[in-house]
Amino acid sequence: AQTVTQSQPEMSVQEAETVTLSCTYDTSESDYYLFWYKQPPSRQMILVIRQEAYKQQNATENRFSVNFQKAAKSFSLKISDSQLGDAAMYFCAYANTGNQFYFGTGTSLTVIP
Amino acid sequence: DTEVTQTPKHLVMGMTNKKSLKCEQHMGHRAMYWYKQKAKKPPELMFVYSYEKLSINESVPSRFSPECPNSSLLNLHLHALQPEDSALYLCASSHPGTGYTEAFFGQGTRLTVV
Repeated sequence: AQTVTQSQPEMSVQEAETVTLSCTYDTSESDYYLFWYKQPPSRQMILVIRQEAYKQQNATENRFSVNFQKAAKSFSLKISDSQLGDAAMYFCAYANTGNQFYFGTGTSLTVIP
Repeated sequence: DTEVTQTPKHLVMGMTNKKSLKCEQHMGHRAMYWYKQKAKKPPELMFVYSYEKLSINESVPSRFSPECPNSSLLNLHLHALQPEDSALYLCASSHPGTGYTEAFFGQGTRLTVV
């Protein structure tokens, strides 16, 4: 089975600064998708950014960008200009073409005013 | 409409009760999922329906019974649950197979078994 590892249970960042959340995964498949989801205390899982494994270009969504290293099986999330509303639990997720989503253990991000 | 709607938002049930959780989406997604999430833990996959057929059952106890009556609805029938089944139950949907497989999540049902 695929595994997704987030080695940082908690992170903190000053407002307006940049923070990077780490994620590694293990798979033998060649076609898959990677995601970062955010889960605030309201508990709804919200998609932050997605990356298709076949694309070499790193995905970006406004202040959010990823560093996708396919050979190293690494998928980190960079949040620039951090805002108070970014405080949440962040989950890295892997999805195969069989519709199975696997989540990492999460990183709790605190934004310090 | 990019919403997945779950009802009820909160549910308290006794161990001898029978209840159902409901999930609805109108995005044309043909894959729907049930996840269980304990506090400060990641969601754990329970079931996957693809084109209204059960495609994945992650060895979930039979006291949880999923049902997909049509392409927009997903139910989870609960019977004789245990206190350890108390958790947040999340429903999600996506396009099945290759392509754009982002999963959209509902807000969840907070279940307490007493």
